Amino acid sequence: DAGITQSPRHKVTETGTPVTLRCHQTENHRYMYWYRQDPGHGLRLIHYSYGVKDTDKGEVSDGYSVSRSKTEDFLLTLESATSSQTSVYFCAIRRDPEASEFFGPGTRLTVL
Amino acid sequence: GENVEQHPSTLSVQEGDSAVIKCTYSDSASNYFPWYKQELGKGPQLIIDIRSNVGEKKDQRIAVTLNKTAKHFSLHITETQPEDSAVYFCGSSSGNTGKLIFGQGTTLQVKP
Repeated sequence: DAGITQSPRHKVTETGTPVTLRCHQTENHRYMYWYRQDPGHGLRLIHYSYGVKDTDKGEVSDGYSVSRSKTEDFLLTLESATSSQTSVYFCAIRRDPEASEFFGPGTRLTVL
Repeated sequence: GENVEQHPSTLSVQEGDSAVIKCTYSDSASNYFPWYKQELGKGPQLIIDIRSNVGEKKDQRIAVTLNKTAKHFSLHITETQPEDSAVYFCGSSSGNTGKLIFGQGTTLQVKP
């Protein structure tokens, strides 16, 4: 398995609270991605990073922000969680755009 | 925008039979096509991928074919086994960012 961990693996929170999810990799890959997975929608890209401090929006970025201060860590923040952000969140890494992409184990987030 | 359509959404086969899942993409610049297997409660696992300069790739019981003219690619699983039961996702990407667009997924059930 690719060296990707996500924390926490499960979280329950209340509407309006801030939430930060962490993705950590040991592969020294340049590209990192955050996806959400929902029934009927498959995997959708939230944000991605192409280097330290270099990030860009994906398909469903509203309500989310990201930060990457180190190669190995990519943080996803929900500034004020809403029930529509209840989902399973996956992090993925890639050495470069031509390389294969590998996924982490996921974080199940429930917003009450 | 870019789109990937995947069919069928569910597929049930008898153990030992073959299974075929097909994806169609819209972006003619797409040049990378991975397939992922996702088991319940786990992250997507890359099982095979193909690039646009190749028409077919095989790895034991799994093969992928690509038809760039028709803009579709297919996953073929031969001699299916109960452990092949999972959700399978196709993806396509292009450009400098390598952002993947995923199909909606196919739930494969292999009956013993």
